[in-house]
Amino acid sequence: NAGVTQTPKFRILKIGQSMTLQCAQDMNHNYMYWYRQDPGMGLKLIYYSVGAGITDKGEVPNGYNVSRSTTEDFPLRLELAAPSQTSVYFCASSYIHPGAATNEKLFFGSGTQLSVL
Amino acid sequence: DAKTTQPPSMDCAEGRAANLPCNHSTISGNEYVYWYRQIHSQGPQYIIHGLKNNETNEMASLIITEDRKSSTLILPHATLRDTAVYYCIVQDTNTDKLIFGTGTRLQVFP
Repeated sequence: NAGVTQTPKFRILKIGQSMTLQCAQDMNHNYMYWYRQDPGMGLKLIYYSVGAGITDKGEVPNGYNVSRSTTEDFPLRLELAAPSQTSVYFCASSYIHPGAATNEKLFFGSGTQLSVL
Repeated sequence: DAKTTQPPSMDCAEGRAANLPCNHSTISGNEYVYWYRQIHSQGPQYIIHGLKNNETNEMASLIITEDRKSSTLILPHATLRDTAVYYCIVQDTNTDKLIFGTGTRLQVFP
């Protein structure tokens, strides 16, 4: 059971470079999320998706883009990396039954540590 | 913004119960309370969630006050491996988003 897989685990970028953080889940979950966590802080929601082809902004979407072409994959794109984007990025997924009143539990990946220098 | 307020840190002796409080005074009637924990730099791990009634599972118990404005997570017999940051979260039911706050750093000592 792979669960939620994030790649890469570590990455160093120069200012202005771009990259894509990969996230894949094999649990057939409809909901997927991207969070970032700055040192000593809690998690901030960047973007989320309620299903293939549907994405929406979270708390801190500026500087990022996402797409959800398949149920399994939810990549996060940084177009022009800035030092303020130095953080640990976590992807998560969950399954919400249609019509359900609440989310099921989120499953998190192991994170991607990104440094922008 | 997070809808919850938690103390930044707590200590607990190994083998004793750890009681972690959370205030969510603006919670609405159909919003659930969730608890997650994050050990070191790993991804957060789900613990438990509830709406009105107290809940118990193999990891913990969740006590929600009758007015639902606060809750307490109880780890009945804390171990050193329970040292972690514990997040109390109220789900935004309009968007299904889970907004994390800064959590409580629980230190379990021998």
